[in-house]
Amino acid sequence: GESVGLHLPTLSVQEGDNSIINCAYSNSASDYFIWYKQESGKGPQFIIDIRSNMDKRQGQRVTVLLNKTVKHLSLQIAATQPGDSAVYFCAENLFGQNQAGTALIFGKGTTLSVSS
Amino acid sequence: NAGVMQNPRHLVRRRGQEARLRCSPMKGHSHVYWYRQLPEEGLKFMVYLQKENIIDESGMPKERFSAEFPKEGPSILRIQQVVRGDSAAYFCASSPREGAEAFFGQGTRLTVV
Repeated sequence: GESVGLHLPTLSVQEGDNSIINCAYSNSASDYFIWYKQESGKGPQFIIDIRSNMDKRQGQRVTVLLNKTVKHLSLQIAATQPGDSAVYFCAENLFGQNQAGTALIFGKGTTLSVSS
Repeated sequence: NAGVMQNPRHLVRRRGQEARLRCSPMKGHSHVYWYRQLPEEGLKFMVYLQKENIIDESGMPKERFSAEFPKEGPSILRIQQVVRGDSAAYFCASSPREGAEAFFGQGTRLTVV
């Protein structure tokens, strides 16, 4: 079975709210994690990544949190906008590198819907 | 610099026919990865190729599926004698080297009727 999964298949928020998307992973050997955004009809787009030696990383409007104790990963989106509506996937990489190779394992995704 | 180009974007095949999916990596990228995505599912790794070499095909079904990445031209994912269960979106990603960020194409949506 998959080693990466998500808690909720859908998340609905109002424009301007903060969004939190969660992901649980089961492989304790995973040392690199990536969040992707996939809009309808498009390929996955890299959002942000984090290595296992960190517990938090911030980007522009996005923050990724990693809790290795409970094997949990989350993506926080600040001031969510309608353009953020998409499916969000977490993925883990066993080799510690951001590459879409054999070790990149995807979860099933959370659909984020942002209403105005 | 154009992104990863996949064609066709949509492909319809009857059961038993062959499907050929093409992927042109970004300029300067010699590493290509193919993934399959079923509706409402994540991406499943299929195969990893470098120019003229298959590096890892652990995600490829043992029969009917093959992939190549010739010295010249795009990478090809070939599915022989398609069945309805092959209907999915097939994504290609490329990177310039191992450990570098990989970029995805727009995908080919295969429908088997």
